[in-house]
Amino acid sequence: GIQVEQSPPDLILQEGANSTLRCNFSDSVNNLQWFHQNPWGQLINLFYIPSGTKQNGRLSATTVATERYSLLYISSSQTTDSGVYFCAVGNTGNQFYFGTGTSLTVIP
Amino acid sequence: KAGVTQTPRYLIKTRGQQVTLSCSPISGHRSVSWYQQTPGQGLQFLFEYFSETQRNKGNFPGRFSGRQFSNSRSEMNVSTLELGDSALYLCASSLDARYEQYFGPGTRLTVT
Repeated sequence: GIQVEQSPPDLILQEGANSTLRCNFSDSVNNLQWFHQNPWGQLINLFYIPSGTKQNGRLSATTVATERYSLLYISSSQTTDSGVYFCAVGNTGNQFYFGTGTSLTVIP
Repeated sequence: KAGVTQTPRYLIKTRGQQVTLSCSPISGHRSVSWYQQTPGQGLQFLFEYFSETQRNKGNFPGRFSGRQFSNSRSEMNVSTLELGDSALYLCASSLDARYEQYFGPGTRLTVT
């Protein structure tokens, strides 16, 4: 299967700071998504981004498929951004491989 | 458009019992996948169904099974429950596995 590594595993930020989360994967993919898991366990879709760059408000993401990595940028962080961020990838095997997540804590 | 729904949301079972979890995908989605999330193992793939056919299965024992109905709703069953089966079970739906996946709220299973 595809190995997915996320870094850093934990991140503590002051409110208003910016951050970059990284996702490295071991094989070519045709599907890559970033999720935010809320305290109740639901995975909230942030970006579907197998390649290229997208932006949504304070969040943006870039995937460089040829170099097998993706980055999630969070600008002007807020306490509501706290939680666990997952990167997940898929290829022709009809399954998603998840990273171990980045746990983000934003302190006021 | 309604999202992915999972029932029940919470479940407490005793070791040795069996359990059935249900997932209703987004209307029009034919692919349904199941994942188990535990603190120790993270998110692990169980199986994926498309148009009532299981296309892929993760590395789980045969006690874990599933099926998909003609309306794309899916169920997963776990027989002879073990304490280690305590987990959050998440279902995802999509047009097909290579497209954007949408997850349900999950079923939190506790085995005592």
